[in-house]
Amino acid sequence: SQTIHQWPATLVQPVGSPLSLECTVEGTSNPNLYWYRQAAGRGLQLLFYSVGIGQISSEVPQNLSASRPQDRQFILSSKKLLLSDSGFYLCAWSSQPTEQYFGPGTRLTVT
Amino acid sequence: DQQVKQNSPSLSVQEGRISILNCDYTNSMFDYFLWYKKYPAEGPTFLISISSIKDKNEDGRFTVFLNKSAKHLSLHIVPSQPGDSAVYFCAARNYGQNFVFGPGTRLSVLP
Repeated sequence: SQTIHQWPATLVQPVGSPLSLECTVEGTSNPNLYWYRQAAGRGLQLLFYSVGIGQISSEVPQNLSASRPQDRQFILSSKKLLLSDSGFYLCAWSSQPTEQYFGPGTRLTVT
Repeated sequence: DQQVKQNSPSLSVQEGRISILNCDYTNSMFDYFLWYKKYPAEGPTFLISISSIKDKNEDGRFTVFLNKSAKHLSLHIVPSQPGDSAVYFCAARNYGQNFVFGPGTRLSVLP
């Protein structure tokens, strides 16, 4: 069966510090991968999606970036965090248009 | 510009009654619609989906109705249970690869 992992589960970082969130998927090949952010009291905002290794599409311009170094690994990064980067970050995968599976999420607090 | 709208931020329903969650969209190119349930500090869980070529899909207590002419879909939960209390997200897939999520509706099922 397929599983999706995200870490860390929670993170507190000062403004201006770098960020690296990792997501890995098991049990499937060549999935589409996604990074979402849920800000407090708001819906899910698609940040990046990837249809293959090295292929990243950005939905929202910001100081975040994503990379896909391996087929089932998706990384969200920032060189310098802003206060507005605080939120709940979710990784997801899909292999068909009927469903999309989410990881457990990372709660990021920028202080 | 919000392409997927859930105009009710919250809904309260008595246990055993029907819960109806509504979703409106603006992009006629959406070809698949999904409903997710999310508990606090967890990733969303897929509930049910519907293709744009159908007008109804049923799975146990959950039924999704699609009215393409009105660009409207709804999720019916019958009978509602206290464990259904969560935030429900409507999502739509465009004919490409990514999904667009609504802001969510918080459902409270009262015992």
